[in-house]
Amino acid sequence: NAGVMQNPRHLVRRRGQEARLRCSPMKGHSHVYWYRQLPEEGLKFMVYLQKENIIDESGMPKERFSAEFPKEGPSILRIQQVVRGDSAAYFCASSPGTTTEQYFGPGTRLTVT
Amino acid sequence: KNEVEQSPQNLTAQEGEFITINCSYSVGISALHWLQQHPGGGIVSLFMLSSGKKKHGRLIATINIQEKHSSLHITASHPRDSAVYICAVERSGNTPLVFGKGTRLSVIA
Repeated sequence: NAGVMQNPRHLVRRRGQEARLRCSPMKGHSHVYWYRQLPEEGLKFMVYLQKENIIDESGMPKERFSAEFPKEGPSILRIQQVVRGDSAAYFCASSPGTTTEQYFGPGTRLTVT
Repeated sequence: KNEVEQSPQNLTAQEGEFITINCSYSVGISALHWLQQHPGGGIVSLFMLSSGKKKHGRLIATINIQEKHSSLHITASHPRDSAVYICAVERSGNTPLVFGKGTRLSVIA
């Protein structure tokens, strides 16, 4: 059973470009969480999704950020018109829903130049 | 004040020492998690606790719900234990985690 997969592992974008981060949960997991870790800071919640539904997006910036978890395929975190302050490690975690244990992916390190 | 506080922030130990990392929280929770983040950045879930004590190899985690406090202990520490240890709480089932800032542990041979 493969673990949580994220790609790309490293992403470099110029200011103003779009960044798309993908997360494939563990097999059988229908709950996905996205977290952000800014340099020298702790992890912060961004958004919680189940298949085709956003359950809690209270941690998402109001503009430029969106997330989806379609019926088929990975969950996508999309950042439009990136700025230098978006540079961070973005982690996703998945859980089956039957338990609350979360399994983390390796993260995507976004650098905005 | 953060909802989850960890101490110490940084810890250096000699190989073989017994290590304790503390976590206090200020909200009602359904479970507490201990995570390990290695220098490469990946995060591994070590424990999920809602009461009592759990042990896995040289790692022991305890929680006191009444005192809103948890500890992570490492026995016979080894340089490969060097990592950031993160405490996180969930307020109720299937809710996002709220994280402490982490404790950076360095174990020297």
